[in-house]
Amino acid sequence: DTEVTQTPKHLVMGMTNKKSLKCEQHMGHRAMYWYKQKAKKPPELMFVYSYEKLSINESVPSRFSPECPNSSLLNLHLHALQPEDSALYLCASSQSGSYNEQFFGPGTRLTVL
Amino acid sequence: RKEVEQDPGPFNVPEGATVAFNCTYSNSASQSFFWYRQDCRKEPKLLMSVYSSGNEDGRFTAQLNRASQYISLLIRDSKLSDSATYLCVVYSSASKIIFGSGTRLSIRP
Repeated sequence: DTEVTQTPKHLVMGMTNKKSLKCEQHMGHRAMYWYKQKAKKPPELMFVYSYEKLSINESVPSRFSPECPNSSLLNLHLHALQPEDSALYLCASSQSGSYNEQFFGPGTRLTVL
Repeated sequence: RKEVEQDPGPFNVPEGATVAFNCTYSNSASQSFFWYRQDCRKEPKLLMSVYSSGNEDGRFTAQLNRASQYISLLIRDSKLSDSATYLCVVYSSASKIIFGSGTRLSIRP
């Protein structure tokens, strides 16, 4: 299994809602990543988990809260988002957290109303 | 100056042509380099890792020039299906991953 899966594929939420994005991989990778991508822009790194510990937080607002329950799962909890947070949220994994190629999931397309 | 720079294109070339892109990086200590392709509204997919000795995968050749601090991607005998955005990725350090802004390629029949 060489796949990273993400759910849901699409999400529409209001600014007062709480929702979660989920990501799963079964490649035995020990690093997992969240990225945000706006249209016609490259992905922007948000968080990195390495061996289930948060190793990088790229100054992301606290309305985004990551969680890594185990080495295969990564969640992104969303609360009180703003319309400008609407984007494609991509999860990726790599063998370890340093210098390895990353494999991306299909993403969750988020719209904040 | 950006840490990683790519020509945004678009490159518009006929089917069968050879096309090449470069990606320059500013940190001479950068260690790992990759090319990804991204189709419209899809996720980035790994195309190739880039090694110091250069590497080839079918019609695709990737090279690293450490002296001039750039990586390149050459596509030979281009196909319509090669139309995509090509992203270079540089590990500036163990914990710093930088995506280039992407080069758009369009192959015309």
